[in-house]
Amino acid sequence: EVQLVESGGGLVKPGGSLRLSCAGSGFTFSSYTMNWVRQAPGKGLEWVACINSISTYIFYADSVKGRFTISRDNAKNSLYLQMNSLRAEDTAVYYCVRDAQLEPPDTNWFDPWGQGTLVTVSS
Amino acid sequence: QSVLTQPPSASGTPGQRVTISCSGSSSNIATNTVNWYQQLPGTAPKLLIYRNNHRPSGVPDRFSGSQSGTSASLAISGLQSEDEADYYCAAWDGSLNGWVFGGGTKLTVL
Repeated sequence: EVQLVESGGGLVKPGGSLRLSCAGSGFTFSSYTMNWVRQAPGKGLEWVACINSISTYIFYADSVKGRFTISRDNAKNSLYLQMNSLRAEDTAVYYCVRDAQLEPPDTNWFDPWGQGTLVTVSS
Repeated sequence: QSVLTQPPSASGTPGQRVTISCSGSSSNIATNTVNWYQQLPGTAPKLLIYRNNHRPSGVPDRFSGSQSGTSASLAISGLQSEDEADYYCAAWDGSLNGWVFGGGTKLTVL
């Protein structure tokens, strides 16, 4: 069974840092582009960042550029999101999401999604 | 403000057909395929429609998608109470070099 399990969420003060992790299983993790998508409480989905299989292509949403860093360790089947200079508006459930197919994003889609991990930025 | 525009809400009675629209631009919907996700209350989103009009296995054929120009739509026929959920459209945006979502549509089954 293809599975993504996030961890690392929690309560952090404004200006602080947090590192999220995502463990992939049931598929060849090293072959797939991976993403982080977040959802603020009561709000819609917002794509955060993506990283291709060999970490040569990395893209960020403007809202997190310069503050967040996406990375992966294929030997450990793991995806990471280092979040620095956190703000109240970064409070959200963060989902680890896999590109469904081994192809460019313009014809691709997200599947599966992890269960999410909650990040709360508050003093 | 989402890059893709969806109505915030939609509703219908059991058995009815409802449609949810998704409006974008030349850099996303017009040139790249559209996907739809269903989010049941308290759960993670789940793939509903991919590449404009394809259903993953397990998704009932009551759900269908279409795309034309800079717009896409999701149709649900034979509405059922378990269809009550939030629905999101999404596409890759070649100008932004990122994925963009619609703001989501909350479907209520009356």
